[in-house]
Amino acid sequence: GENVEQHPSTLSVQEGDSAVIKCTYSDSASNYFPWYKQELGKRPQLIIDIRSNVGEKKDQRIAVTLNKTAKHFSLHITETQPEDSAVYFCAASMGYGQNFVFGPGTRLSVLP
Amino acid sequence: ETGVTQTPRHLVMGMTNKKSLKCEQHLGHNAMYWYKQSAKKPLELMFVYNFKEQTENNSVPSRFSPECPNSSHLFLHLHTLQPEDSALYLCASSQGRASGGVYNEQFFGPGTRLTVL
Repeated sequence: GENVEQHPSTLSVQEGDSAVIKCTYSDSASNYFPWYKQELGKRPQLIIDIRSNVGEKKDQRIAVTLNKTAKHFSLHITETQPEDSAVYFCAASMGYGQNFVFGPGTRLSVLP
Repeated sequence: ETGVTQTPRHLVMGMTNKKSLKCEQHLGHNAMYWYKQSAKKPLELMFVYNFKEQTENNSVPSRFSPECPNSSHLFLHLHTLQPEDSALYLCASSQGRASGGVYNEQFFGPGTRLTVL
């Protein structure tokens, strides 16, 4: 089955700096890669996703890149702010929520 | 309340008790999921229901028994649990297989914090 790895497990950055979180997956059939943000005590929420026919997607300060050949994808956050502090989960899926496998998460701390 | 709701929000039970967790979605979705979130395995998929049919069971012990009476409701029946089952249990929903949406965002509920004594 699918296996998703995520690095780093913890990340601290200064406010205003960029943060990069990387994930790798094992099943080449996966074609949907969402990123979820979970703030302390709250539920995970989708922040951005990318599909296998796209190499890069951007939404304001957040961007995701996908390399299907290497089977890895990354989340980039620019101009980080304290409210970006949370746990970020990547996931891989073949669509329809089937085989929806999450990475172990990255705890991001943005220091003022 | 809109979105995905879960009750109870907190539950403490003994190992011999029987309890049930409830999830309800108000989004018109057709797929529902149970996840277990703990320090050891942050988001572990347990069960998937698509149009009320269970389509995935990730080797979950039989002391966890899911029930999906309709596309809007999902239950997780618990019996003879172990202390290591203490965790946050999250329910989620999405559009589902036959709805035409190939890539489906999952909407999570607030979770039930379960403590097994």
